[in-house]
Amino acid sequence: GQQVMQIPQYQHVQEGEDFTTYCNSSTTLSNIQWYKQRPGGHPVFLIQLVKSGEVKKQKRLTFQFGEAKKNSSLHITATQTTDVGTYFCAAMNSGGSNYKLTFGKGTLLTVNP
Amino acid sequence: NAGVMQNPRHLVRRRGQEARLRCSPMKGHSHVYWYRQLPEEGLKFMVYLQKENIIDESGMPKERFSAEFPKEGPSILRIQQVVRGDSAAYFCASSPSSTNYGYTFGSGTRLTVV
Repeated sequence: GQQVMQIPQYQHVQEGEDFTTYCNSSTTLSNIQWYKQRPGGHPVFLIQLVKSGEVKKQKRLTFQFGEAKKNSSLHITATQTTDVGTYFCAAMNSGGSNYKLTFGKGTLLTVNP
Repeated sequence: NAGVMQNPRHLVRRRGQEARLRCSPMKGHSHVYWYRQLPEEGLKFMVYLQKENIIDESGMPKERFSAEFPKEGPSILRIQQVVRGDSAAYFCASSPSSTNYGYTFGSGTRLTVV
């Protein structure tokens, strides 16, 4: 079945440093979504990328979708303690069961103040 | 807008008992998804339902697990004869359509089997 690989599994940074998490698929994706889950909380939708090469920004967060629509990244500039949590990418396959989101295992970000 | 409501938030069951998890989707959302999350793991798809229909249950174990989304009332995920390995967080999500929309997740039900 559809698999989405996400790296790194953990990332610890000092407040003010940048952070990037990467998501890769072996198959072409219809779209990719990003979610954030705070410790003890539930996933919260951040953004969806649909077009090849798409780049979207939300304040200090930059999301990219690869040209081949097989990979994506989330970059946070100048991390803050409020950025702590697990960031998941979630891929929707192109064709077939294209309603089903397959989640990566997530990257747990911790920020040292 | 109340969001996706799940209850109970925490559920403790003894081995062999039944667990019933409830999910009311956001108003206007007719698509419901159930996911299971183990500690430090991603979310694993279990089942996708629309009103009175199971669209895809490929992620749900064939035995002991069932799901429904009746015409009236919440979606129910039912686990019969629970075992320790069923202990996990179960999240329900809803969306207004099956494609091109982000999911809205509920707060989850943390099931502990003792």
